Amino acid sequence: ETGVTQTPRHLVMGMTNKKSLKCEQHLGHNAMYWYKQSAKKPLELMFVYSLEERVENNSVPSRFSPECPNSSHLFLHLHTLQPEDSALYLCASSQAYSGPSPRTQYFGPGTRLLVL
Amino acid sequence: GIQVEQSPPDLILQEGANSTLRCNFSDSVNNLQWFHQNPWGQLINLFYIPSGTKQNGRLSATTVATERYSLLYISSSQTTDSGVYFCAVRSSGGYQKVTFGTGTKLQVIP
Repeated sequence: ETGVTQTPRHLVMGMTNKKSLKCEQHLGHNAMYWYKQSAKKPLELMFVYSLEERVENNSVPSRFSPECPNSSHLFLHLHTLQPEDSALYLCASSQAYSGPSPRTQYFGPGTRLLVL
Repeated sequence: GIQVEQSPPDLILQEGANSTLRCNFSDSVNNLQWFHQNPWGQLINLFYIPSGTKQNGRLSATTVATERYSLLYISSSQTTDSGVYFCAVRSSGGYQKVTFGTGTKLQVIP
């Protein structure tokens, strides 16, 4: 039990579908993150929410739309994806950054997405 | 942005052998973590180590922040140690941005 859960664990979708990935953390954290891991590439940070406010958006295409309704839940809404979007999508959480003291990130198990 | 390089990119070990993985980064950092990604893709947090040395069982890590590198030591390796090891850093002054290294893929054979 990592304290961060993600659903679904596997998802196959067509390019015209709309789906959502869900992340939930049970660690009392107030910052959450979406990462993308493509084959043979390092993890890429997509979005950061701190105190339910989006604080970082790393030039992610608009077909990916995040939503953070509260500090425990994070969604990634997907629509009109491309085959190159197939990847492992990882959610993480931590305490929000509040000065020089760093914060450890804890990861969920990931959602493996295949876009056909 | 900060660059994070890991070496070696690939490593094959006989069970029981020891190894050292390296992470170099191009700028000062205030947060460094080591992760193990198992064959199922799950990332496990191993160490939070912005400086100094920590040990946890057969694993230990050392970060020399002034020289901008970190080392992960694996002793008496086991087949369950197989997977990809990532280091991730947060640069000083950066709000939340975390940059991952390219990873070291480790395969431990019986």
